[in-house]
Amino acid sequence: DAGVTQSPTHLIKTRGQQVTLRCSPKSGHDTVSWYQQALGQGPQFIFQYYEEEERQRGNFPDRFSGHQFPNYSSELNVNALLLGDSALYLCASSGQGAHGYTFGSGTRLTVV
Amino acid sequence: TQLLEQSPQFLSIQEGENLTVYCNSSSVFSSLQWYRQEPGEGPVLLVTVVTGGEVKKLKRLTFQFGDARKDSSLHITAAQPGDTGLYLCAGLNTGNQFYFGTGTSLTVIP
Repeated sequence: DAGVTQSPTHLIKTRGQQVTLRCSPKSGHDTVSWYQQALGQGPQFIFQYYEEEERQRGNFPDRFSGHQFPNYSSELNVNALLLGDSALYLCASSGQGAHGYTFGSGTRLTVV
Repeated sequence: TQLLEQSPQFLSIQEGENLTVYCNSSSVFSSLQWYRQEPGEGPVLLVTVVTGGEVKKLKRLTFQFGDARKDSSLHITAAQPGDTGLYLCAGLNTGNQFYFGTGTSLTVIP
């Protein structure tokens, strides 16, 4: 049973560019949450998608947007990249009756 | 806004020692979780506590949820090098969203 799958694993982008990160949730999960994690710190909540709609959003600018597809997979888009956007981006899935989140291994984004 | 503060932020101990990590908040949470994260990986769920005063044990790890459901602790007995990692608490808010603590980086030296 595959857990949460994220792609790509690593990515290097230039300031001002746009990036799309992808996430496939664990089988049976219908809710996807995205987090940004700086080195050695706790993950910061970006937003959560359920039934193809953004259900909640953390304190992130509009440059961060997302999408959820009918098969529950999700994308995180970041426009006009800044150096400070360099981080590990984690996707977590959950579902009815699930205790807690299942996390993917993350996408390491480096903005240069 | 960081709702959950963990202490200590960094901890380096010898194999065999005991340790306690704290997770504190001014907010009440309906449940609280503890995760462990290794470098290059996503966090892995260790335990969920729901009831105030609840204590759960997972081998050498003991988790406690405060009576007021505002704080929690993780106690590790006889730490081993395999316990090394980033320990994260996460509280479930009224919006049904988990917010993570600041993290505690543990290093167990053989």
